[in-house]
Amino acid sequence: GQQLNQSPQSMFIQEGEDVSMNCTSSSIFNTWLWYKQDPGEGPVLLIALYKAGELTSNGRLTAQFGITRKDSFLNISASIPSDVGIYFCAGILTSNTGKLIFGQGTTLQVKP
Amino acid sequence: DTGVSQDPRHKITKRGQNVTFRCDPISEHNRLYWYRQTLGQGPEFLTYFQNEAQLEKSRLLSDRFSAERPKGSFSTLEIQRTEQGDSAMYLCASSFSGRVETQYFGPGTRLLVL
Repeated sequence: GQQLNQSPQSMFIQEGEDVSMNCTSSSIFNTWLWYKQDPGEGPVLLIALYKAGELTSNGRLTAQFGITRKDSFLNISASIPSDVGIYFCAGILTSNTGKLIFGQGTTLQVKP
Repeated sequence: DTGVSQDPRHKITKRGQNVTFRCDPISEHNRLYWYRQTLGQGPEFLTYFQNEAQLEKSRLLSDRFSAERPKGSFSTLEIQRTEQGDSAMYLCASSFSGRVETQYFGPGTRLLVL
């Protein structure tokens, strides 16, 4: 099946540092999404990207839709303790179904 | 409306038993999705509904799994003759059909099959 390769698998950083994670695929996606999941909860949408090359920000978060449509990255600036959680990239191949294909996740830990 | 709700939040069952989970989507949303998430992995698509019609099922959804959305509102996911490999978090999400990228997820039902 379709797969998204997300890296790094985990990160342990100091509060205030910037963070970067990325996602790659062998398939072309029409939409890229970034979610955050807290323990015992469902994923929450952070950023949605619709066009190749698009760069979108949401507060301290910035994400880009790769030019080839096969990759995306997420940056978090000036991390804070509440940024702790698992970050997932997800893609949509065909817009009419809305079937999301998720990466394996990046676990972020922030040391105060 | 406070979002997508799922019931129960946790379920422990013995192998071979049947279990049923419920999802109540955001009331205006006509799309409803089920995903399964195992430990350390991202969610995997199982099936989705537009109103009461089930439009796509993943190969992950074996014949022991059945999902319904009888009135186009809440949905149920039933697993018959559970196996230990069914242990996972079952997530429900909903969206408008015109905004399928904006899926709101429920808190999930965590299933443990002993």
